[in-house]
Amino acid sequence: EVQLVQSGGGLVQPGGSLRLSCAASGFIFSNYWMSWVRQAPGKGLEWVANIKQDGSQKTYVGSVKGRFTISRDNAKNSLYLQMNSLRAEDTAVYYCTRDEQWGQGTLVTVSS
Amino acid sequence: DIQMTQSPSTLSASVGDRVTITCRASQSISAWLAWYQQKPGKAPKVLIYKASTLESGVPSRFSGSGSGTEFTLTISSLQPDDFATYYCQYYNNCFGGGTKVEI
Repeated sequence: EVQLVQSGGGLVQPGGSLRLSCAASGFIFSNYWMSWVRQAPGKGLEWVANIKQDGSQKTYVGSVKGRFTISRDNAKNSLYLQMNSLRAEDTAVYYCTRDEQWGQGTLVTVSS
Repeated sequence: DIQMTQSPSTLSASVGDRVTITCRASQSISAWLAWYQQKPGKAPKVLIYKASTLESGVPSRFSGSGSGTEFTLTISSLQPDDFATYYCQYYNNCFGGGTKVEI
């Protein structure tokens, strides 16, 4: 059974940093593209970033380029999202995804 | 960058109606498309993956079709539990803007 278990998240001040983690199991992690998706309160779903199987290719939505970094550790079956220079508009529930499979989501709140 | 255009954005329907939602990709995405249902305060739930494969446990009134750039989600007979917002997604990439199905 595919499992994506997320950790990290919480309350952070504007300009601060946060790191999200996602532990994968039930499939060969190194065979799959992985992504982060978010949903701001009352808004639609927004894809944030993806990363190729070997980490050699990464793509970001424009609003997070230069601030967020997606990475993975295939030896640890883990996906990460380093979020720097956080803004109020980054407040959202963040999901780790593999194709149509999603983690449980974690809330990131950016507020003073 | 590939863009996903979903229509309509809002759909008013009645129980028993046949409902169709369309998702268009700005370039071919083969069959790398999923459909999700989301209810207020809940996480999205996958209905269809790889454009036309029904997720286990999802009622058979839901179906997906299409490939390349044009895709549809059809609900053959709308049930009270189906009033929700629906999203399409190009795998590991962008979403359509969503379709709210309301009474």
